Amino acid sequence: SQKIEQNSEALNIQEGKTATLTCNYTNYSPAYLQWYRQDPGRGPVFLLLIRENEKEKRKERLKVTFDTTLKQSLFHITASQPADSATYLCALAHYGGATNKLIFGTGTLLAVQP
Amino acid sequence: EPEVTQTPSHQVTQMGQEVILRCVPISNHLYFYWYRQILGQKVEFLVSFYNNEISEKSEIFDDQFSVERPDGSNFTLKIRSTKLEDSAMYFCASKAESMGNTEAFFGQGTRLTVV
Repeated sequence: SQKIEQNSEALNIQEGKTATLTCNYTNYSPAYLQWYRQDPGRGPVFLLLIRENEKEKRKERLKVTFDTTLKQSLFHITASQPADSATYLCALAHYGGATNKLIFGTGTLLAVQP
Repeated sequence: EPEVTQTPSHQVTQMGQEVILRCVPISNHLYFYWYRQILGQKVEFLVSFYNNEISEKSEIFDDQFSVERPDGSNFTLKIRSTKLEDSAMYFCASKAESMGNTEAFFGQGTRLTVV
């Protein structure tokens, strides 16, 4: 079955530094990979999507890379701020019938210290 | 900005009781989903729904679970006889298109506590 792994340990960084989060997957070749942010007690919020034929995607301070050979995506937040503190989830779109469900990783908790 | 709304935000129920969790997806969306998240664990897919029928369901979604779109705006998840292990956050999500290149919009969730 598909397996998606993210940094299991919480990531603590200083404000202003770049945070790098890792997502590794096995037994799957997704056409798309998505990243979401989840705050405590809240639903996931979409951040970025990258296609299998894209190496890199950027949106403001966010950057995502996708290496289908390594089966890995990296998620970067540059010039991090305390407000970036949250759990970040990677998700693969899996086709099933008429719909595409999302298969989520375990998430990485990011804490940005002021 | 359009959003997915879920009610109630928190539901406490006795084991063996039936619960109905309600969701109002974004109005022009066609694809609907329920996910759950047990405390401290990952978000897990339960069921997807399109064109008034279940498109896919996970192993978790056994015959104690059902979904319905009763009136063209609400999307409900019913658990017939709740168990302690059903305690979790339940998230409803909707999408405009099914393709993996479109984002899913999630509601804020219903925290279900079975006692």
